[in-house]
Amino acid sequence: DIQMTQSPSSLSASVGDRITITCQASRDIYKYLNWYQQKPGKAPELLIYDASNLETGVPSRFRGSGSGTQFTFTITSLQPEDVATYYCQQYDDLPTFGPGTKVEIK
Amino acid sequence: EVHLVESGGGLVKPGGSLRLSCAASGFTFSNLTMNWVRQPPARGLEWVSSISRDSSHIYYADSVRGRFTISRDNANNSLSLQMNGLRADDSALYYCSTLPPGERGIDFWGQGTLVTVSS
Repeated sequence: DIQMTQSPSSLSASVGDRITITCQASRDIYKYLNWYQQKPGKAPELLIYDASNLETGVPSRFRGSGSGTQFTFTITSLQPEDVATYYCQQYDDLPTFGPGTKVEIK
Repeated sequence: EVHLVESGGGLVKPGGSLRLSCAASGFTFSNLTMNWVRQPPARGLEWVSSISRDSSHIYYADSVRGRFTISRDNANNSLSLQMNGLRADDSALYYCSTLPPGERGIDFWGQGTLVTVSS
C-alpha cells in the first residue's frame, strides 16, 4: 500500500493569507494525486486532479503542484468559505488518502 | 442533476451483516468505476472498495477483504456493498463515489449512510 502523509495536521490563518499544505507519498506516484475539500457535515469535493489541474468550477485561488513523492496544495488568498479539512489522495495504486489538514480562520 | 443516494446503514451487533445500496442518477452510471469510501466519526477518509464499469475488476482494502463484497447493477444504476462479519472499527459513514482517477467533471459523492457496530 502507498502511505500518504500530510502536514500540518491543522492550521489557523487570517482571511487573505496564503496557506500551503504538503503531502508526501511513500513511493513515486508520478502526478497521480487528487486534493479534496471536505466541509463539516458534507461529502468531500474534488479541487485538484493530476496534482495540478483545477477541477471544473473550482476557484483559481486553489493551486496544486508537485510530482513523484512531494506535493503542495496552496490557497493563495484564504476566504471564510475555505474553512474545511483538506485531503490528498493518490490513485497510482489502490486509492489511499492522507490524514487531512484542518484549516480554520483566525 | 447528479444524485448518488446511499441507504441501508444502521445499528448492528458485532459479527452481524448489513447491505448498503447506492442509487445513481443524472449521469451514465455504466461508464464509470464506482467506489465505497468510509469515514469514522471525526476521522479521515478511507477507501473501502472499487468495481469497474463492467464488474470485471474488483478491489478491496485489506481491512475489509474477505468480509465485504461489492457489486453493481448497471441496468438499474445501483451499487451495493454486502458487509459481513462486522466489527466495531467498521463503524463509519459510508459514501459511494466515483473517486475519479485523473479526470475532470466526474467527481460525484452521495451524502453517506451511517453504519454503527455495537453490542
